Amino acid sequence: ETGVTQSPTHLIKTRGQQVTLRCSSQSGHNTVSWYQQALGQGPQFIFQYYREEENGRGNFPPRFSGLQFPNYSSELNVNALELDDSALYLCASSLAGRGAETQYFGPGTRLLVL
Amino acid sequence: AQRVTQPEKLLSVFKGAPVELKCNYSYSGSPELFWYVQYSRQRLQLLLRHISRESIKGFTADLNKGETSFHLKKPFAQEEDSAMYYCALRGDSSYKLIFGSGTRLLVRP
Repeated sequence: ETGVTQSPTHLIKTRGQQVTLRCSSQSGHNTVSWYQQALGQGPQFIFQYYREEENGRGNFPPRFSGLQFPNYSSELNVNALELDDSALYLCASSLAGRGAETQYFGPGTRLLVL
Repeated sequence: AQRVTQPEKLLSVFKGAPVELKCNYSYSGSPELFWYVQYSRQRLQLLLRHISRESIKGFTADLNKGETSFHLKKPFAQEEDSAMYYCALRGDSSYKLIFGSGTRLLVRP
């Protein structure tokens, strides 16, 4: 059984740029959730994807968008990067239609915006 | 508003001492509560969930709806318990986890 993987591990961008983060879900999982974890804080829910559609969204602006592919892997895209977007971005996968089951987390991508 | 509060940023105890990590929540319905743990250089992982009513690595947590709390307890702390602990809530019919800000547990030899 393969766990959740994320790429890249680290990334440095400048204000105004765009970034794409990638996540491969655990084998057999069909749901992917994305979280943002700022330094010293707990993870904050961004959105969830199920069967290639957004299944729910947290309090994040539209410049945060995502995709889920037929193999259930997912991307998080952030446009017009701001300094406050610097954080650890976590992906979590689960097996359910409504995200009701246990979420398994990836190692995260650390984004630094200069 | 849905909220999870972990009042202690750091809890330091000696090996063998009892441990209680506090978690209080705000939610009007019937939430599901979790404890996640992150050991050094490892990913966030589920420690336990209240519906399972199980003990994992000697840790237990009881959901107290009257006090809206879900404190994590262990009678005798071990050095390998040193980690970051996050309490999380999921609302009924919901899809997202709401996390507290975490408590760092340091178990000294």
